Amino acid sequence: AQSVAQPEDQVNVAEGNPLTVKCTYSVSGNPYLFWYVQYPNRGLQFLLKYITGDNLVKGSYGFEAEFNKSQTSFHLKKPSALVSDSALYFCAVSEGGSYIPTFGRGTSLIVHP
Amino acid sequence: GAVVSQHPSRVICKSGTSVKIECRSLDFQATTMFWYRQFPKKSLMLMATSNEGSKATYEQGVEKDKFLINHASLTLSTLTVTSAHPEDSSFYICSARGLGGAGEGNEQFFGPGTRLTVL
Repeated sequence: AQSVAQPEDQVNVAEGNPLTVKCTYSVSGNPYLFWYVQYPNRGLQFLLKYITGDNLVKGSYGFEAEFNKSQTSFHLKKPSALVSDSALYFCAVSEGGSYIPTFGRGTSLIVHP
Repeated sequence: GAVVSQHPSRVICKSGTSVKIECRSLDFQATTMFWYRQFPKKSLMLMATSNEGSKATYEQGVEKDKFLINHASLTLSTLTVTSAHPEDSSFYICSARGLGGAGEGNEQFFGPGTRLTVL
């Protein structure tokens, strides 16, 4: 079975400060991990993924995520937040390439000017 | 690349009528398409998974006779909400996953969503 948890319902950060959106997962085998962003009344946009290779994955809009196998985490990070980063962020995990990903409940990121 | 369109973006209908939502992958072949429902408190609920040319697989608790899904080609899937009721009002989102190019890492590409309001 696979599962994913986003422990924070909302994250608040000041513009220019670093941001972290947390995600932990549980799978039996090797995880495929994803981050998506959703702006109001829009579908989800793919940000980045981890399948194999370097633990630090770089994605769109300056975001990156670090795969930590021992902590079963895949936190999303950005060194300097922008007000335009305010959106809903979803983490997803699948147990290998052919499985249907499971999505977290989402974390609202609010970046204050 | 990897664009998924959804039509209509917004629909208002009367209770008891049926509504069809189209999901198209514009620049890749989608071997698998997914239909989600998003509730006001933001969580995504997977409704069904469809593979081209075969019957959709519905998640537990989703009425297959009410939410008809057809994946007739590698670029088109449709969701028909039959005999709609006000409680069916929601934001419906489709996504597609393909082979080669788009989706080779198993990521899904999402449509912009359809806001359904049933009066």
